[in-house]
Amino acid sequence: GESVGLHLPTLSVQEGDNSIINCAYSNSASDYFIWYKQESGKGPQFIIDIRSNMDKRQGQRVTVLLNKTVKHLSLQIAATQPGDSAVYFCAETRASGSEKLVFGKGTKLTVNP
Amino acid sequence: DTGVSQDPRHKITKRGQNVTFRCDPISEHNRLYWYRQTLGQGPEFLTYFQNEAQLEKSRLLSDRFSAERPKGSFSTLEIQRTEQGDSAMYLCASSLLEPSTGELFFGEGSRLTVL
Repeated sequence: GESVGLHLPTLSVQEGDNSIINCAYSNSASDYFIWYKQESGKGPQFIIDIRSNMDKRQGQRVTVLLNKTVKHLSLQIAATQPGDSAVYFCAETRASGSEKLVFGKGTKLTVNP
Repeated sequence: DTGVSQDPRHKITKRGQNVTFRCDPISEHNRLYWYRQTLGQGPEFLTYFQNEAQLEKSRLLSDRFSAERPKGSFSTLEIQRTEQGDSAMYLCASSLLEPSTGELFFGEGSRLTVL
């Protein structure tokens, strides 16, 4: 069945360091991938997305990398700040057919001052 | 606040009771989604509306669950004869376009505890 999962459930970094959060997906039919950030007590918030015909996309302090060969997605956060502390989820969907996003289990990022 | 709003934020009920959650999406968004999230897990898709039409339902949505969006604006999610396994955060999201072309905007969720 389709699933999206994370390699690590927790990640702890020092403020100012770069963070890398990984995600493995199994549905080769997925053609759109998204990273969401969820702070405690809040709903998920969109960070960045990438289509399957791309291998890299950059935003403000964030970069998403997609390796379709090994079905691997990663989120890189540059100069991690305390406000980046949250749970990060990758999600995937297809451009046609089901409208649902399939989320992974999430990685909890803790930024130490 | 022009984001997605959900009500109530917290609901504690006894097993067997019915509960209803309300979601008010961003006003111009014609797509509305319900997700369920348990502790430590990612959100799981329940159902989706385009305007007032319910176009997709997950297998997770048992016959005790019903969702409506009567006028294509706000939506309600009702759970009948609640069970302890229904305890979760129920998240509503809206979007203007399908997920593959636009982000989903989530509300802060309605947390259900079934005793």
